[in-house]
Amino acid sequence: DGGITQSPKYLFRKEGQNVTLSCEQNLNHDAMYWYRQDPGQGLRLIYYSQIVNDFQKGDIAEGYSVSREKKESFPLTVTSAQKNPTAFYLCASSIGRVKGNEQFFGPGTRLTVL
Amino acid sequence: AQKVTQAQTEISVVEKEDVTLDCVYETRDTTYYLFWYKQPPSGELVFLIRRNSFDEQNEISGRYSWNFQKSTSSFNFTITASQVVDSAVYFCALSPAGGTSYGKLTFGQGTILTVHP
Repeated sequence: DGGITQSPKYLFRKEGQNVTLSCEQNLNHDAMYWYRQDPGQGLRLIYYSQIVNDFQKGDIAEGYSVSREKKESFPLTVTSAQKNPTAFYLCASSIGRVKGNEQFFGPGTRLTVL
Repeated sequence: AQKVTQAQTEISVVEKEDVTLDCVYETRDTTYYLFWYKQPPSGELVFLIRRNSFDEQNEISGRYSWNFQKSTSSFNFTITASQVVDSAVYFCALSPAGGTSYGKLTFGQGTILTVHP
């Protein structure tokens, strides 16, 4: 079964701790994305990567970091510098620089800072 | 800068009613893509449709239909004979079709649709 997996589904963190959210895809997609969703709001782009070993900041990158060492994996680290990290985090992937470029999403990770 | 506006925050209908979700967008790009996604209570976004800016043909897929009007920068979504399973949050999104921002999606705020039995 091809798809995008995110783990864990729920994550609790103490203030001041870094935490890493996992995102893996077996769709052979080149591009991967991280979004943040706050209650009653749309999705906002944190980081994206069009190709392995390359990534760009999205609209709200401050306090976050990513790596893209493998095509299948795009982990997101929420650092202690992120002032308001409690949110729902969604990972997505797309084929890449191909006409259309619709993104397919994982099930999400709900992060709560205690 | 790109912007997507979904004016309806919440819509409530009774089963079998038709319902239209509005989407208006702003972009300076001459070519772009428009999308609709559905987010059921489970949280995962489900892709519904992609529309190219140079193709204004309307599309129908079962009970779903989309009306794209470039002149008014709108991409509205209609569900005919709504069902309880249609209850979800629906997002409209916009992406450039080229340039360095290719693939970056800008989402609207979402419309919460509740269909009552």
